[in-house]
Amino acid sequence: AQKITQTQPGMFVQEKEAVTLDCTYDTSDPSYGLFWYKQPSSGEMIFLIYQGSYDQQNATEGRYSLNFQKARKSANLVISASQLGDSAMYFCAMREGGKAAGNKLTFGGGTRVLVKP
Amino acid sequence: NAGVMQNPRHLVRRRGQEARLRCSPMKGHSHVYWYRQLPEEGLKFMVYLQKENIIDESGMPKERFSAEFPKEGPSILRIQQVVRGDSAAYFCASSPLGGWEKLFFGSGTQLSVL
Repeated sequence: AQKITQTQPGMFVQEKEAVTLDCTYDTSDPSYGLFWYKQPSSGEMIFLIYQGSYDQQNATEGRYSLNFQKARKSANLVISASQLGDSAMYFCAMREGGKAAGNKLTFGGGTRVLVKP
Repeated sequence: NAGVMQNPRHLVRRRGQEARLRCSPMKGHSHVYWYRQLPEEGLKFMVYLQKENIIDESGMPKERFSAEFPKEGPSILRIQQVVRGDSAAYFCASSPLGGWEKLFFGSGTQLSVL
C-alpha cells in the first residue's frame, strides 16, 4: 500500500482564491510527522509546513495551513489567497518513528498547481 | 544564514565515469540526508548521515553508490561507473540536532549521464 497518496495530479486555481491539496497517509506508528514542500519549475524544494502526530492544533504558516484529520489519516494543505508565484509542484511527505529514525521521509507523487490570473 | 549548499548544480558524465556530489548543511545542522528524484516523481530517501557516521543507508543501491559526511568538510555522495539510469536530481537536506520538525533541502544536483 502507498504510504503517502496525493490523488490530484494537477489542478488550476484562480488567483486570489483558496486551494486545498489532498494528502492521505498510511502508518501504524503512533509517532510521525507530516511535511509539505513546494517545488517550483526551478527545481528547489521549499519547506512549507510541518505537523506532528501529537500536535493538538493544526499547523499554520502564513498563507499555508494544514488541515490535519488524524482519524481519517489526512493532512490536506490549504493555500489561501493564491498568487501567481504559487504555481508549482507540491509534495506531501511523512516521517515515521521517533527521533532515532531521523528525517527519513516518504514522499507522495505530488500535485501540480497552476494559478490563473 | 546560508541554506543547504549543493554543488555542482548540474553534472554531466559519460557512462562508466564517476560522479561526486557535494553538500554543505546549514550552519548548526549535524544531520544530513540524501534523496533522489526521477523525472515526474517524488523524492526517494537514499541515506542519512551524521558526522563520521552512516545512520541509515536503507535507500542506497547496493553497488556503486556510497556516501560520507566527514568530521571536516561537506558530505559527499559518490556514484561509481555511472549508467544512464542514474540520471536524476539528487537532493541533500539537513536538520539540526533534535530538530526533526525541520528538514531543509538544497537546490539539488541534476546528474545527466550520456
